[in-house]
Amino acid sequence: SAVISQKPSRDICQRGTSLTIQCQVDSQVTMMFWYRQQPGQSLTLIATANQGSEATYESGFVIDKFPISRPNLTFSTLTVSNMSPEDSSIYLCSVGRDSNSPLHFGNGTRLTVT
Amino acid sequence: DAKTTQPPSMDCAEGRAANLPCNHSTISGNEYVYWYRQIHSQGPQYIIHGLKNNETNEMASLIITEDRKSSTLILPHATLRDTAVYYCIVRVRGTTDSWGKLQFGAGTQVVVTP
Repeated sequence: SAVISQKPSRDICQRGTSLTIQCQVDSQVTMMFWYRQQPGQSLTLIATANQGSEATYESGFVIDKFPISRPNLTFSTLTVSNMSPEDSSIYLCSVGRDSNSPLHFGNGTRLTVT
Repeated sequence: DAKTTQPPSMDCAEGRAANLPCNHSTISGNEYVYWYRQIHSQGPQYIIHGLKNNETNEMASLIITEDRKSSTLILPHATLRDTAVYYCIVRVRGTTDSWGKLQFGAGTQVVVTP
């Protein structure tokens, strides 16, 4: 399976600031997904990131709050904008080689907003 | 996508088989059953998936009932390192134009005890 690296692994941020999370994969992948895991909860899909096109957001998530870039087949970023304490979560990147391959996950970015 | 129902928690003795049930009574013919697990502070780890036949790999076995309305994940010899939250997920078969998303439920907290 692909090796997925997320940076930073954790961060503590001030309310009102923005944080960009990077996801780097060691091989080309077709699709990348971004998830959020709030404390004590399961994972929630934020958006699907295609290379060369706009990300597709799930209900309840908007581009202004969570802009995503996907400049090539091995890299994506998720920005958490204008943060509030409610954004404190683990943010995870997931990748898949093709439409019927299992998805694999990075170890996430643990974000705390004060 | 079809929803799944799992027990919230299970205990298992080390060295014994762990049988994790999952109900997916509304599953469609083009939907796979996927299993992931999440060990504390890590991203979800892919275990196994299947469509209608039983599957086995180095980690586990997946038994899917003939009507596909339920399945069981079997960890043949549970170890303390198998303590994790286990997620049963139904995923639509992907095509060249669309990808099946992974939508996580609450999962089953499995605790393996000595």
